Amino acid sequence: GQQVMQIPQYQHVQEGEDFTTYCNSSTTLSNIQWYKQRPGGHPVFLIQLVKSGEVKKQKRLTFQFGEAKKNSSLHITATQTTDVGTYFCAGPPQETSGSRLTFGEGTQLTVNP
Amino acid sequence: NAGVTQTPKFRILKIGQSMTLQCTQDMNHNYMYWYRQDPGMGLKLIYYSVGAGITDKGEVPNGYNVSRSTTEDFPLRLELAAPSQTSVYFCASSYLNAASYEQYFGPGTRLTVT
Repeated sequence: GQQVMQIPQYQHVQEGEDFTTYCNSSTTLSNIQWYKQRPGGHPVFLIQLVKSGEVKKQKRLTFQFGEAKKNSSLHITATQTTDVGTYFCAGPPQETSGSRLTFGEGTQLTVNP
Repeated sequence: NAGVTQTPKFRILKIGQSMTLQCTQDMNHNYMYWYRQDPGMGLKLIYYSVGAGITDKGEVPNGYNVSRSTTEDFPLRLELAAPSQTSVYFCASSYLNAASYEQYFGPGTRLTVT
């Protein structure tokens, strides 16, 4: 079955440093979604990428979808303590309607003030 | 809108007991999902539903059952609870269209089986 892998599993940064997490799927994805989960909270949708090579920005966050639609990345510029949490990527296999997602294991980000 | 609500927030079960985790959404979403999240891990899909009366298995369905009699409600039933079912359970919903596949999550139910 489809596997979605994320690296790194953990990342500790000093406030102000940049952060990047990478997501790789074993199958081609029709779209990729990113979610953020604060400690003790529930996943919250951040963004969806659909097109090959797509790049989207949300303030200090930059999301990319690979040309082959099998990988993605999330880059945070100048991290802040409010960025603390676990970032998950998720995607449905291209042959499906998008009704179900496979989630990566997540990258847990801690930010030292 | 309240979004996706789940009850209870916490529960401790003894081995062999049964319980139902409740999930309700008021966004008129057609798709609903149940996930479990073990400590430090990602989300594993248990069951999902594409509409009232239709359910299907996810990655880890063993030990669970679901029903979807209305658009709003999607309860998850645990029969004969086992320690391996200790986890946080999240319900989610979405309205699939060509533009977005965003899932909205409830606050979760933290279940301990001892």
